[in-house]
Amino acid sequence: QVQLQESGPGLVKPSQTLSLTCSVSGGSINSGTYYWSWIRQPAGMGLEWIGHIYNSGSTNYNPSLKSRVTISVDTSKNQFSLKLSSVTAADTAVYYCARSSSYFYMDVWGKGTTVTVSS
Amino acid sequence: EIVLTQSPGTLSLSPGERATLSCRASQSVSSTYLAWYQQKPGQAPRLLIYGASSRATGIPDRFSGSGSGTDFTLTISRLEPEDFAVYYCQHFSFGPGTKVDIK
Repeated sequence: QVQLQESGPGLVKPSQTLSLTCSVSGGSINSGTYYWSWIRQPAGMGLEWIGHIYNSGSTNYNPSLKSRVTISVDTSKNQFSLKLSSVTAADTAVYYCARSSSYFYMDVWGKGTTVTVSS
Repeated sequence: EIVLTQSPGTLSLSPGERATLSCRASQSVSSTYLAWYQQKPGQAPRLLIYGASSRATGIPDRFSGSGSGTDFTLTISRLEPEDFAVYYCQHFSFGPGTKVDIK
């Protein structure tokens, strides 16, 4: 079955760009009508949808983060990535990648990776 | 932008009891896009219900979803010890969650 794994630096300095990658195994990122999503969760708080990408490359972002977010896909590596620019301490969170259906519910999740923004 | 609110914030119940969780949208939404998730500490969320009322693969039938328009409900018919967790509804973005804890 499809599995997702997040990877990237656990510590990012303020004002820098956070970069994470989600590796997809057990299936092709190109197959089916799926969107590939990023979600984050600050410690002790709720879930925040960041955005998603379709395998064609079309994207949709949370309006509150849109100016700072870029999601891209590399079908040759079966991966998709998140870049979040100009980070502050408020961006400290667990970041999850997930597979979304064409109706946008998320049926497969990665385990999550913790990113701390600190100097 | 559609905002989801969930109530109550915390629900304190005993094993075997029935849990009823509410999710209300700020405007009418298509039930096709309404989902529910369960999250336990230190774990990623797990999809429970999609399309407002369809159970995801492997989800026990004690979990059921209902509703339409602006009001949706997740019901756990008889709480098992493993059901004590936080539950989120989602329509693109997520609601704030309801914590179901042991009374």
